[in-house]
Amino acid sequence: GDSVTQMEGPVTLSEEAFLTINCTYTATGYPSLFWYVQYPGEGLQLLLKATKADDKGSNKGFEATYRKETTSFHLEKGSVQVSDSAVYFCALTLVSGTYKYIFGTGTRLKVLA
Amino acid sequence: KAGVTQTPRYLIKTRGQQVTLSCSPISGHRSVSWYQQTPGQGLQFLFEYFSETQRNKGNFPGRFSGRQFSNSRSEMNVSTLELGDSALYLCASSLTGEGNTIYFGEGSWLTVV
Repeated sequence: GDSVTQMEGPVTLSEEAFLTINCTYTATGYPSLFWYVQYPGEGLQLLLKATKADDKGSNKGFEATYRKETTSFHLEKGSVQVSDSAVYFCALTLVSGTYKYIFGTGTRLKVLA
Repeated sequence: KAGVTQTPRYLIKTRGQQVTLSCSPISGHRSVSWYQQTPGQGLQFLFEYFSETQRNKGNFPGRFSGRQFSNSRSEMNVSTLELGDSALYLCASSLTGEGNTIYFGEGSWLTVV
């Protein structure tokens, strides 16, 4: 079945460090891919998305590229800030038929000043 | 533009009781989906509605039910509550639910004692 696998957390980084959170997927169809972020006590917010192979989603300094050949959508940021501390979720949805998202287990990021 | 609104934000129920959670989607969005978030299971899809019709349902027991009204507002109900139903229940809306970006509310925190 369709699934998303994320790297286990927590990830602890110093401010201004480089961030990579790995995400791979399996899908029977042709998915759209997303990264969502959840701050403490809140719901999920869309961070970025990509809808076709080789698309790069970007927002607030975060980037992820849709790699069909490796079925991956890794999240990167060149210089993290304390305010980036949150839980990050990779997700996919198929363009038609299922009407649902499948989420990874989430990766907690803690950035130290 | 108002976001997805969920009520109540927090509630405590006793085992065996039932609970109803409400969700108002973003104006113009006709698809509403519900997710359960727990530390152990992550985000699990409950069901999705479009134009008052349930189009998909996750692997939850029949105690979990939902409905959507003609104005796209949605409710979910959990009957005969169990301790394991304690979770954050997230509602999300999108334009059509077919590969669109979904936008989450802040969630309803349910504690069953």
